[in-house]
Amino acid sequence: AAGVIQSPRHLIKEKRETATLKCYPIPRHDTVYWYQQGPGQDPQFLISFYEKMQSDKGSIPDRFSAQQFSDYHSELNMSSLELGDSALYFCASSSTGGRSYEQYFGPGTRLTVT
Amino acid sequence: AQTVTQSQPEMSVQEAETVTLSCTYDTSENNYYLFWYKQPPSRQMILVIRQEAYKQQNATENRFSVNFQKAAKSFSLKISDSQLGDTAMYFCAFMRDTGTASKLTFGTGTRLQVTL
Repeated sequence: AAGVIQSPRHLIKEKRETATLKCYPIPRHDTVYWYQQGPGQDPQFLISFYEKMQSDKGSIPDRFSAQQFSDYHSELNMSSLELGDSALYFCASSSTGGRSYEQYFGPGTRLTVT
Repeated sequence: AQTVTQSQPEMSVQEAETVTLSCTYDTSENNYYLFWYKQPPSRQMILVIRQEAYKQQNATENRFSVNFQKAAKSFSLKISDSQLGDTAMYFCAFMRDTGTASKLTFGTGTRLQVTL
């Protein structure tokens, strides 16, 4: 079965640079989520989109922005990168049909800021 | 706000044995979902099992089952016939039932080591 695709898988940036993470949800899934997992921590919710509209917002810095496009893929844009932004960034998708609401995660993008 | 607590940072079990991971949560919601996710060394987040709060019957998926106690706000995961491949970090997660999908709130995780 198709899974969530994230690119790139690894990214190395310097402080103050910009990064763009991409997410391609499972086909026919209408909701996309972004989570950030720091070293030794649990995933923290950043932002979500339902049918291309922002549906919820968590602890996302103002330096970060995200959107979902007409083909349902989503991008997380991160500017003025800081050392503390180094983390594993997950995208997850789900379908509201059937009310199961199970979220399926992509493999993550490991961002290292030096 | 909801909180999820996993009080066992690490656990160990021998292959073929049974182990139970604990999870408690705090919420004022009546309708919600609970999940267990597995994160092996590859760091992939894998959905293990789901429980709807409105269902009294405990969910089961092959060797994985839960003990859901709504009044006590407890949601433990039992792994039967443990296998080496079960070695992973296990996260308990809570999701409000808003009529559409909503964010997951995770516990801090339990690291499970399966030994020979």
